[in-house]
Amino acid sequence: DIQMTQSPSSLSASVGDRVTLTCRSSQYINNYLNWYQQKQGKPPKLLIYAASTLQSGVPSRFNGSGSGTDFTLTINSLQPDDFGTYYCQQTYITPPYTFGQGTTLDIK
Amino acid sequence: QVQLQESGPGLVRPSGTLSLTCAISGDSITSDTWWSWVRQSPGKGLEWIGEIYHTGNTDYNPSLKSRVSISVDKSKNQFSLILRSVTTADTALYYCVRTPGFCSSTKCLIYFDSWGQGMHVSVSS
Repeated sequence: DIQMTQSPSSLSASVGDRVTLTCRSSQYINNYLNWYQQKQGKPPKLLIYAASTLQSGVPSRFNGSGSGTDFTLTINSLQPDDFGTYYCQQTYITPPYTFGQGTTLDIK
Repeated sequence: QVQLQESGPGLVRPSGTLSLTCAISGDSITSDTWWSWVRQSPGKGLEWIGEIYHTGNTDYNPSLKSRVSISVDKSKNQFSLILRSVTTADTALYYCVRTPGFCSSTKCLIYFDSWGQGMHVSVSS
């Protein structure tokens, strides 16, 4: 299976900050990389697919980039609603689709 | 707007069979998309279980393949999960998910765009 490694595992940031989350795959996955946000007691919510395509309805302060094995999710001008856990997922070499272990973002 | 709702027993005995159903509203099970099951537990994080297309084509996680079956009921616009010979390690929150994608001649770029609220299943005697 392809292993997805996210860093950092957790971070705290202030409203208005720019934050960058990283995801690395153990093998080449082209741009077959999705990002999700999950809040406590809720299912994951798709933010970005194909590494950089914003899902409909997601604020433009979310930006995804990368290809191959290294990917980033940047949140510009962090908002209070952006707290939660962020997961990356690869859908290139399947089965199985695999997720990272998550980055938990706390708002200071 | 598509909505997915999981249902089934919340408690299963060890060595028993876990059975869940996902009811779809706002979309058709026969639309051009796959339908998946994903589970989440503190120990394993998010784990994809398998997927089905309305034609009956399936893919399963190799780690669960020997115990899993996913099926479609077009008349009820729903799909179902069966997991046999369960142990305490199968205790988790189970989600059904719509998984559309863009396909070339060789690959499909899949994403998980609509999730049910989740069904917590405990395996315990």
